[in-house]
Amino acid sequence: DMKVTQMPRYLIKRMGENVLLECGQDMSHETMYWYRQDPGLGLQLIYISYDVDSNSEGDIPKGYRVSRKKREHFSLILDSAKTNQTSVYFCASSLGTQTLYFGSGTRLTVL
Amino acid sequence: AQKVTQTQTSISVMEKTTVTMDCVYETRDSSYFLFWYKQTASGEIVFLIRQDSYKKENATEGHYSLNFQKPKSSIGLIITATQIEDSAVYFCAMREEASSSFSKLVFGQGTSLSVVP
Repeated sequence: DMKVTQMPRYLIKRMGENVLLECGQDMSHETMYWYRQDPGLGLQLIYISYDVDSNSEGDIPKGYRVSRKKREHFSLILDSAKTNQTSVYFCASSLGTQTLYFGSGTRLTVL
Repeated sequence: AQKVTQTQTSISVMEKTTVTMDCVYETRDSSYFLFWYKQTASGEIVFLIRQDSYKKENATEGHYSLNFQKPKSSIGLIITATQIEDSAVYFCAMREEASSSFSKLVFGQGTSLSVVP
């Protein structure tokens, strides 16, 4: 069963704290993504990973970094979170240029 | 730069009818991929259907089908025999094949569909 799993589903942090969002997939997809979704702005691409340790910035990478040490696992890190990083974060994966499959999302609130 | 536009913010239809959601896109590439996704009330984003630009036949998948009009840069989603559970936000998306960031998927703003009994 093809699946992209995100943890946690909900997260509340204080401004200045570090945040780690985790994503896993069981489809052996080489390409993984992090998007954020905000009302009125739709889905915006933060980072793409083409494979282990092969990451590229998306449209809004500022304030974020990523880590991919295993093909099935992709992490999004917020060092010293800011209130404007409150959002819903989606991880996705794809086989090359094929269809993206999304995780269930993580709703992050930064107070 | 690639761009995807959904002008319909929200649509309401009666159950068991057919609905069409519009999407237009901009691209300089001759080869690209078009997708429709559904976001449910719980927030899950689910892939529905895909159209590759080089294919002339409209894609179909269950009660979803596409109206691909390449000269108009248009890819409409048609849902036949709508059900209450089709109520959701529908996103159109496009990926170019030959751009420098070839894997980038660009989304439209979404159309909220409400199916009423």
